[in-house]
Amino acid sequence: KAGVTQTPRYLIKTRGQQVTLSCSPISGHRSVSWYQQTPGQGLQFLFEYFSETQRNKGNFPGRFSGRQFSNSRSEMNVSTLELGDSALYLCASSPKGKGNTGELFFGEGSRLTVL
Amino acid sequence: SQELEQSPQSLIVQEGKNLTINCTSSKTLYGLYWYKQKYGEGLIFLMMLQKGGEEKSHEKITAKLDEKKQQSSLHITASQPSHAGIYLCGADWSGGTSYGKLTFGQGTILTVHP
Repeated sequence: KAGVTQTPRYLIKTRGQQVTLSCSPISGHRSVSWYQQTPGQGLQFLFEYFSETQRNKGNFPGRFSGRQFSNSRSEMNVSTLELGDSALYLCASSPKGKGNTGELFFGEGSRLTVL
Repeated sequence: SQELEQSPQSLIVQEGKNLTINCTSSKTLYGLYWYKQKYGEGLIFLMMLQKGGEEKSHEKITAKLDEKKQQSSLHITASQPSHAGIYLCGADWSGGTSYGKLTFGQGTILTVHP
């Protein structure tokens, strides 16, 4: 069974640009969540999706957005990039719905560098 | 102070030694997750604990959740160089309302010398 797949794995952008990251969950998983990992702040929750609806959002500015498609695949977008957005962005999927997240499996991440 | 605190922050052991990493929560845990990460890579799921007093083992790694559900420990027996990495605990404080929202500790960097 394939794991959580994230694309692209690495990307470089300049300040002011926007970026879209993609996540394909494990087959059969309907919940997808996104995290940002930086050396200073550690691993921080961005948002989570279930049945194409955002269920929860972390403490990030509105420049960070996401969506989930009917096949459970998810994308996140960051607009007007800032240097501080340089980070490893991780996607995770879970087989369960509300109430019991069950095991949460992470992808390899997308490494974003903003110059 | 951190709401989810891991200790120690780093650990250096000789191969073959046992070690313990702790994760202390300021709130009651609905679920506690343990992950391992190689620098710059994704998180590898180790174990999930939900019930007070629960203990799970996989190969040489054992994780426990205390009865009051506010602390967990991860114990590695007879450590090997392959155990080296960053160990992260993640807390589910949602009480059952979230789908994948965890709050993570700052991580414990484990080095195992051959």
